[in-house]
Amino acid sequence: QSALTQPASVSGSPGQSIIISCTGTSSDVGGYKYVSWYQQHPGKAPKLMIYDVSNRPSGVSNRFSGSKSGNTASLTISGLQAEDEADYYCSSYTSSSTVFGGGTKLTVL
Amino acid sequence: QVQLVQSGAEVKKPGASVKVSCKASGYTFTSYGISWVRQAPGQGLEWMGWISSYNGNTNYAQHLQGRVTMTTDTSTSTAYMELRSLRSDDTAVYYCARVGYSGGYVDYWGQGTLVTVSS
Repeated sequence: QSALTQPASVSGSPGQSIIISCTGTSSDVGGYKYVSWYQQHPGKAPKLMIYDVSNRPSGVSNRFSGSKSGNTASLTISGLQAEDEADYYCSSYTSSSTVFGGGTKLTVL
Repeated sequence: QVQLVQSGAEVKKPGASVKVSCKASGYTFTSYGISWVRQAPGQGLEWMGWISSYNGNTNYAQHLQGRVTMTTDTSTSTAYMELRSLRSDDTAVYYCARVGYSGGYVDYWGQGTLVTVSS
């Protein structure tokens, strides 16, 4: 199963909004309502930010939101803050496995 | 609170095996599956497989089939991942993670276990 495609890097200034895309196929992102997003700070374990395309776990800021259109999912972070600087990974369930994106490094300028 | 505590770092020689443990607490162990994910130095996340803590059913990543075995011990709420015939490109941080309610995500992660494969 090929990895999902994410941009290698995105950046934004404090207070701005950014969008990270995650492109797959009809066999993963497009075929299921099971896209999730994870935030990872250096040296730390990943943290779940969005599950089942657009649901936010308890405790995750409402500045984070998720959506999907066809084979592409998106993570939107609004009101960027310095602490949002991290790597972000998307993930999708498939019929036989789970696949991750290659990761996107978010830089807050 | 939900916690997954993994065993400590390991250094192995090529061809050896490693077994990483993941002790769960704060929830009913048999109600949630466990996934294993690894991350090579400076690289992204790689899904290795999943085990049902309820009945022991497994689903392994195709490229690891035959080298990986995932098990659970419900008496101690502990999951295990064994990887055999280690190669240098198996050097990575290995994470266990609890599978969420819908089965399509993981919601809690262990702290990670660094496995270094070097001669």
